[in-house]
Amino acid sequence: DIQMTQSPSSLSASVGDRVTITCRASQSISNYLNWYQQKPGKAPKLLIYAASSLQSGVPSRFSGSGSGTDFTLTISSLQPEDFATFYCQQSYSTPITFGQGTRLEIK
Amino acid sequence: QVQLQESGPGLVKPSETLSLTCTVSGGSISSYYWSWIRQPPGKGLEWIGYIHYSGSTNYSPSLKSRVTISGDKSKNQVSLELSSVTAADTAVYYCARRSGGFFDYWGQGTLVTVSS
Repeated sequence: DIQMTQSPSSLSASVGDRVTITCRASQSISNYLNWYQQKPGKAPKLLIYAASSLQSGVPSRFSGSGSGTDFTLTISSLQPEDFATFYCQQSYSTPITFGQGTRLEIK
Repeated sequence: QVQLQESGPGLVKPSETLSLTCTVSGGSISSYYWSWIRQPPGKGLEWIGYIHYSGSTNYSPSLKSRVTISGDKSKNQVSLELSSVTAADTAVYYCARRSGGFFDYWGQGTLVTVSS
């Protein structure tokens, strides 16, 4: 199985901050990496697919980069509605695996 | 707009079989892959498996011996069965559409508690 490791596990930030979350795969997964945002009591929402493609309807302040084993999700200017938990997910091979999540809290 | 709705018992006894249904509206299950994903309370996401519209399936090795995913094209539904459940199977269960490797549509999730 491909292990996905996110860092940090949690972080505190303020509205307007630039935030970066990292996801590392245990082996190369090319660009088969997707990012989701989950708010309490809700289903995850797709933000970024194929490492850097923005899902339709997602604000442009979200961006993704990386290939191989190292990936990042960046939020350029945090908005109040962005505070949530973020997950990466690899689709390179089955079993499909997710990172453990990064909880983004308001400072 | 594609919508997914999970349904099924919210409480299952240990050693019994968990059965859930995902009803898809706004689109046909006769395309794409349809997955089940679960999330224990306060924890992360775990992929359970998927079914392709052709009928082929793929399951997580950790659950493979206990999982069956099936589809009913006439009802536009996908179903999950998980046998011999224990408290460790308590989770919110989501169905999701897999498109090109990512999950673009999700149901709202249903909490299943395993308890006597």
